[in-house]
Amino acid sequence: DAGITQSPRHKVTETGTPVTLRCHQTENHRYMYWYRQDPGHGLRLIHYSYGVKDTDKGEVSDGYSVSRSKTEDFLLTLESATSSQTSVYFCALRGGGEQANTGELFFGEGSRLTVL
Amino acid sequence: QKEVEQDPGPLSVPEGAIVSLNCTYSNSAFQYFMWYRQYSRKGPELLMYTYSSGNKEDGRFTAQVDKSSKYISLFIRDSQPSDSATYLCATRDNYGQNFVFGPGTRLSVLP
Repeated sequence: DAGITQSPRHKVTETGTPVTLRCHQTENHRYMYWYRQDPGHGLRLIHYSYGVKDTDKGEVSDGYSVSRSKTEDFLLTLESATSSQTSVYFCALRGGGEQANTGELFFGEGSRLTVL
Repeated sequence: QKEVEQDPGPLSVPEGAIVSLNCTYSNSAFQYFMWYRQYSRKGPELLMYTYSSGNKEDGRFTAQVDKSSKYISLFIRDSQPSDSATYLCATRDNYGQNFVFGPGTRLSVLP
């Protein structure tokens, strides 16, 4: 158990409303990631963070922003949700410590978002 | 062309069968190769991890990487109904922070 908590786990919202998903960790990992998972596409990286206030874009970052004001929390915001952002969102941590070059990603349980 | 390709299945096998799951990738810079298992409505969990080419065995599971052909395989021996899940392959290069995933293969092991 990598100590990852995502909230909310389920959310239904309307087009045009802002949505924030939260990822909370308890183990002080440096790298945190937000992925979305859609049928036929697998997991696609939205944004990632390599430290407090240090973030970078992934392959599907349009329409999303992130913030990391403290090590344990990584927030994903949809400023104005669209139906194409209906998906399952996964937060992940990279294991092994800062100097490690291992491949583990530890995933949360997912946040299922429906945009009507 | 997607960076990692994987047959989505579904794949159905009888209990006890040997299962072979495969991925191909396009970027020769990828050095780290992973297999994740994902049960329905759960997050992916790391199953196997290998670096560069070769085989790695863990119980009933064997991961195989052939960098010359850019081919990744996962073999499951004596498959069990509890192995029914979606299996995702993933890769990463030495320096990048992005783990690139295949779309996953859904496996059903029938009792």
